[in-house]
Amino acid sequence: KAGVTQTPRYLIKTRGQQVTLSCSPISGHRSVSWYQQTPGQGLQFLFEYFSETQRNKGNFPGRFSGRQFSNSRSEMNVSTLELGDSALYLCASSLFGGEATNEKLFFGSGTQLSVL
Amino acid sequence: DQQVKQNSPSLSVQEGRISILNCDYTNSMFDYFLWYKKYPAEGPTFLISISSIKDKNEDGRFTVFLNKSAKHLSLHIVPSQPGDSAVYFCAASESSNTGKLIFGQGTTLQVKP
Repeated sequence: KAGVTQTPRYLIKTRGQQVTLSCSPISGHRSVSWYQQTPGQGLQFLFEYFSETQRNKGNFPGRFSGRQFSNSRSEMNVSTLELGDSALYLCASSLFGGEATNEKLFFGSGTQLSVL
Repeated sequence: DQQVKQNSPSLSVQEGRISILNCDYTNSMFDYFLWYKKYPAEGPTFLISISSIKDKNEDGRFTVFLNKSAKHLSLHIVPSQPGDSAVYFCAASESSNTGKLIFGQGTTLQVKP
């Protein structure tokens, strides 16, 4: 079974631009969560989608948004990029959200975003 | 407000000995706890989890202990191997059915041959 796939692997943008990151979950997983990892703040939850609906949202400004498609693939978008948005963005899929409990997140390798 | 804390940024142990990684939490609503391991340039990989109704869970060389009254959990690795050298993250959630996890800052484990 293929793992969680994130594209692109690396991205360089300048302040003020916007960026879209893509995530393909493990086949059969309907839940996709996004995390931001920075050296100072660690791993922070951005949002979770299940069956195309946002189930949970973290404490990030409205510049951060996401969506999920009917095939469970997900995208996240960051508009008006700031220097502080430089981070590793991780996507994770799971069986959470259905009847499964005590499940776990399977993470992709992430997209390293650098904002100049 | 950091709800999950790993107070030791790093830990070094000899191969074959026990590694003990600690984690404290403040939110009494947390119901489910997990440990993840992360190598550089890779996403975290799941190690072991524990529900709040248990105080211990074992999986091979890995054991997680949960002390709810102290709001403390620990991961024991016995015996430690050089391949265990990585960053270990403790995570918690208010439900065992959500992808919203609160992570600690991580502990870098170095296992020396």
